[in-house]
Formats: sequence, C-alpha cells, structure tokens
Amino acid sequence: DGGITQSPKYLFRKEGQNVTLSCEQNLNHDAMYWYRQDPGQGLRLIYYSQIVNDFQKGDIAEGYSVSREKKESFPLTVTSAQKNPTAFYLCASTIRFQPANYGYTFGSGTRLTVV
Amino acid sequence: ILNVEQSPQSLHVQEGDSTNFTCSFPSSNFYALHWYRWETAKSPKALFVMTLNGDEKKKGRISATLNTKEGYSYLYIKGSQPEDSATYLCAFMQTGANNLFFGTGTRLTVIP
Repeated sequence: DGGITQSPKYLFRKEGQNVTLSCEQNLNHDAMYWYRQDPGQGLRLIYYSQIVNDFQKGDIAEGYSVSREKKESFPLTVTSAQKNPTAFYLCASTIRFQPANYGYTFGSGTRLTVV
Repeated sequence: ILNVEQSPQSLHVQEGDSTNFTCSFPSSNFYALHWYRWETAKSPKALFVMTLNGDEKKKGRISATLNTKEGYSYLYIKGSQPEDSATYLCAFMQTGANNLFFGTGTRLTVIP
C-alpha cells in the first residue's frame, strides 16, 4: 500500500545536538511538506518542496534545514539553532499543482523531546 | 500567517446525536478548503476538499458545506458513533499560495 513513513516515532535530543527526522513516500507525489504541532496551536508549516532539488521556507523555518535529493524523501534536520524544538512533527505530501482537487497524505508523525 | 479558526475546541456528544462544527477563514483570495479527520495515534486523513462557494460534499454520515463569500464552512455528523471520535481539522488555501493554513481543530468525543 502507498503511504508516507516517518521515523523514528519518538526522538530524544540533547541540547546543542542536531537531529534528522526521516520522511519517505511511495505515492509518486511531487510536493512534500513539514509541519510542526504545539499544544493549542494549529499545524504550522516549516518547509515545503514542490520538486526535487528545490524547497521553500514556510512560516517557522528558523533553526531547521531540509533537503530533497530524491522524489521519495524529504528529511528534516532540527539544528541546535532551533530554540524550542520539543514538538510533534508531521510530514505530508500531495500531487503537485492539484491542491484544489486532492487532499494531503500525512505520515504518523515524530515526537521530538529535548532532554 | 492567515487566521483559520475552528469552534468549538472540543465537544462531547452521546451516541446517536447529530453534531456540527465550524471553520472560519479569510473571505478574500479563496482557493480551497480542506477537512481532515485525525484519530488518536494515527495520521490525519482527508475528508473533503472544497473549492466552490455553495459546495456541499457528503461521505456516509458526514457532510460539509462551504460559504466562501462570508468565510466559513460547516462539518456535520449525523447519528454520531464512537468511531467518529477524533479531532477534525480544517485547512485553508489562498489563491497563489502553495500550502495550507490549518485551524487548531475540534476534538469530538462520542460517548457510547
């Protein structure tokens, strides 16, 4: 079955460390997104990519970095510059140029905790 | 960042009750409105994608309406069942944008 796989499900990071969250999809979707969820807030966009080797900053990109070397993969690195990284992170994908016709497909998320 | 508001924040209903909740969004430059259902420990799943003013979509006991001129959408659940318990998210896309702006969700609990 096609879908999005996020790993790991839970991640603990020491202060000052960089960590990378994995997101892989086998849906042949062009567009991929990273969202962050904090208690009492809606999902906020970190980065998105519409095509391989291209990505754009979302609303809260500071302290994060991404790469899109393959269509299937869109890893997110949480750097030590991110002041408050403890949160739930969701990856999503959709068919490019069709957001008015197709919903997003989401992964099951990664919960990152800074210890 | 655009303001997408959902109400109520949470809702408890008895099995068999019908219920509805609201999503409010900017009425200018409308492009699309999405509804998602997010069950605990699972990933959000798309329910509806709506684009036209006056649009009404239905999937089983769940339906949604859209008013782009006044900037709101309603989600209705008829005869709620315990398996309907979930957080329902709406998300708005503006013309020319490449991404969705999400509301905080309505958490529905259906009591057997």
